Amino acid sequence: NAGVTQTPKFRILKIGQSMTLQCTQDMNHNYMYWYRQDPGMGLKLIYYSVGAGITDKGEVPNGYNVSRSTTEDFPLRLELAAPSQTSVYFCASSSPREQYFGPGTRLTVT
Amino acid sequence: RKEVEQDPGPFNVPEGATVAFNCTYSNSASQSFFWYRQDCRKEPKLLMSVYSSGNEDGRFTAQLNRASQYISLLIRDSKLSDSATYLCVVNRNTGGFKTIFGAGTRLFVKA
Repeated sequence: NAGVTQTPKFRILKIGQSMTLQCTQDMNHNYMYWYRQDPGMGLKLIYYSVGAGITDKGEVPNGYNVSRSTTEDFPLRLELAAPSQTSVYFCASSSPREQYFGPGTRLTVT
Repeated sequence: RKEVEQDPGPFNVPEGATVAFNCTYSNSASQSFFWYRQDCRKEPKLLMSVYSSGNEDGRFTAQLNRASQYISLLIRDSKLSDSATYLCVVNRNTGGFKTIFGAGTRLFVKA
């Protein structure tokens, strides 16, 4: 039981490039989330999903897109990367009582 | 005003000290409450749930006061390994299910 896995662990992008952050969970959770965490700051919700085919915006969705074609996978797409998107990105899935986080992706946009 | 507010700290305490963290939430429809721990450059992990009756897990005690919309975490006999950021987390189900994380309180325990 791997829990929540994220790839890649680290990435450096140039301004204007695009990429997809991958997230997979093997706990059969319906709820999944994407957060970003800037240095010394709290978590900010980017997008979330309550099940396959259903996604909704969180607090800071601009510049990002998501899809949820299966229960297991919840990729996050960055289009036209900007320096303001330099952050650590955490994916999570949840049972009714607990959120389980992946190890994070450290993204730098230069 | 943020929906979940915490004192950011940092709290600098010696080993063996007792330290308390406070958290307030503004939405009275909040239903469930948690403390998470986040180590430096790591993902958050659940420390403990918080119940109205109060609950204890070893050196950690959590309390909830619904009337005052206030949550606390008490750590007794602090260890060096307790150094981390402690996140207050609130779930509510109004306008859709939502989980709101506080910004966290940093704790440094020194020898």
